[in-house]
Amino acid sequence: KAGVTQTPRYLIKTRGQQVTLSCSPISGHRSVSWYQQTPGQGLQFLFEYFSETQRNKGNFPGRFSGRQFSNSRSEMNVSTLELGDSALYLCASSLDRGGGQPQHFGDGTRLSIL
Amino acid sequence: QKEVEQNSGPLSVPEGAIASLNCTYSDRGSQSFFWYRQYSGKSPELIMFIYSNGDKEDGRFTAQLNKASQYVSLLIRDSQPSDSATYLCAVIGDGGSNYKLTFGKGTLLTVNP
Repeated sequence: KAGVTQTPRYLIKTRGQQVTLSCSPISGHRSVSWYQQTPGQGLQFLFEYFSETQRNKGNFPGRFSGRQFSNSRSEMNVSTLELGDSALYLCASSLDRGGGQPQHFGDGTRLSIL
Repeated sequence: QKEVEQNSGPLSVPEGAIASLNCTYSDRGSQSFFWYRQYSGKSPELIMFIYSNGDKEDGRFTAQLNKASQYVSLLIRDSQPSDSATYLCAVIGDGGSNYKLTFGKGTLLTVNP
C-alpha cells in the first residue's frame, strides 16, 4: 500500500512569492492534516481537512490556506512568502477523524525562502 | 495552551541497554498518545500509540500511559545503533476542534555501539 505522497520534495522561492504544495493521502484515508516543522518551534499544526472541508485550524496567519478535493488529495498554499516560512511542511493522513486514528506522515516538502 | 513536554536530551545509552523516554502533557482531555521516530532529514514515523492506562508492548518497544499523572513514556529494550533518532511524543483530543496532534519538541537518543 502506497504511503502519503507529497510533491514537490524541495522548493526554493523568494520573498513575496506564493507557493502550492500537494499531498496525496494513503488510499482510503479521508482526513488530511498539515504541519510545519522548524528547528526553533518544532512541529506545529496548520490545518486539517475532511470531506473537502477544513475542520480545524492552527495559529497561523491567513496567508496559509488549503483545500481538499473529492478524492481526498489536498493542497496547501502560502501567499506573500516571508523568510520565516522556510520550513519542512509535512502532510499526514488518517482513516477518519476519530481521536484514536493514527496519523501517517509523508516525506515532506522542504521550502526555502531567499 | 495545550503543551507537551519532553526532555530534549541528548539521551545516550550503550547498545543493548534500555532507553527510557518520557513525556508529560497538560490537557486532561487528551485521548490518544503517539510516539514517532524521526531520523535526521527524514519525516516522522509512527512507532507506537496507546489509548488506555497501562502498558502496551510491540516488539522491543513498550509504551506506558498514566492519565492521572498525565504522563506517557516509551521504553526501548535491547537498544540498537539504528534506534538513534529523535523521538517525538504527540497527543490528540477527541474529534471536533481537538482533533489535532500536539507535539513535544522531541528527545534525541544516541545508542553507542
